[in-house]
Amino acid sequence: DTEMTQSPSSLSASVGDTVTITCRASQGIANLLSWFQHKPGRAPESLIYGASTLHTGVPSRFSGSGFGTEFTLTISSLQPEDFAVYYCQQYNDRPFSFGGGTTVEIK
Amino acid sequence: QVQMVASGGGVVLPGRSLTLSCEVSGFTFSSYTLHWVRQAPGKGLEWLAVVSYDGDNVNYAHSVKDRFIVSRDNHKATLFLQMSSLTVDDTAMYYCARVNVPYSFGVDPLDIWGQGTMVTVSS
Repeated sequence: DTEMTQSPSSLSASVGDTVTITCRASQGIANLLSWFQHKPGRAPESLIYGASTLHTGVPSRFSGSGFGTEFTLTISSLQPEDFAVYYCQQYNDRPFSFGGGTTVEIK
Repeated sequence: QVQMVASGGGVVLPGRSLTLSCEVSGFTFSSYTLHWVRQAPGKGLEWLAVVSYDGDNVNYAHSVKDRFIVSRDNHKATLFLQMSSLTVDDTAMYYCARVNVPYSFGVDPLDIWGQGTMVTVSS
């Protein structure tokens, strides 16, 4: 099974900041990685798939990169609505494992 | 408008069973592979199960294999998760989700998520 490790587990940032979240896979997964945003009381929302392709409607301040075992999610010019928990998920092999999540908090 | 809504959650005694449902609208149900994902209180997302668009193929997480069964009724456009031998560790919000590519049971990402249904296992 592929294990996914996210870092940091939490971070504090201000509106307008740029933040970067890292996701590492225990084995190579090519670019078969997604990023999700999750807010309390709501369903998760899909942000990025294929490591770097934005789902329809996702703001361009979100970007993703990486291949193989190391991936990053970058949020440029953080907006108030971006404070949430972010998860990566690999879909290279089943079980489709998630990272542990990164909480982005307001500083 | 594409929408997925999970239902059937509630409070259940340890060792008992419960079946969740997920109904969809706004897309052709029978064309898409569907997944179940859960989140225990204070924990992260955990992938549980997948069923192919035609219902012929399924896969499970190790934590629920042999206790949970995922199925679908394409005529009624409903996804199911039959859960048995429930323990307190199964207490979670359960979400259904769709992949972004029709007629595929491969390495496809999730795109649409449903509103979850809460399951509480407690004596």
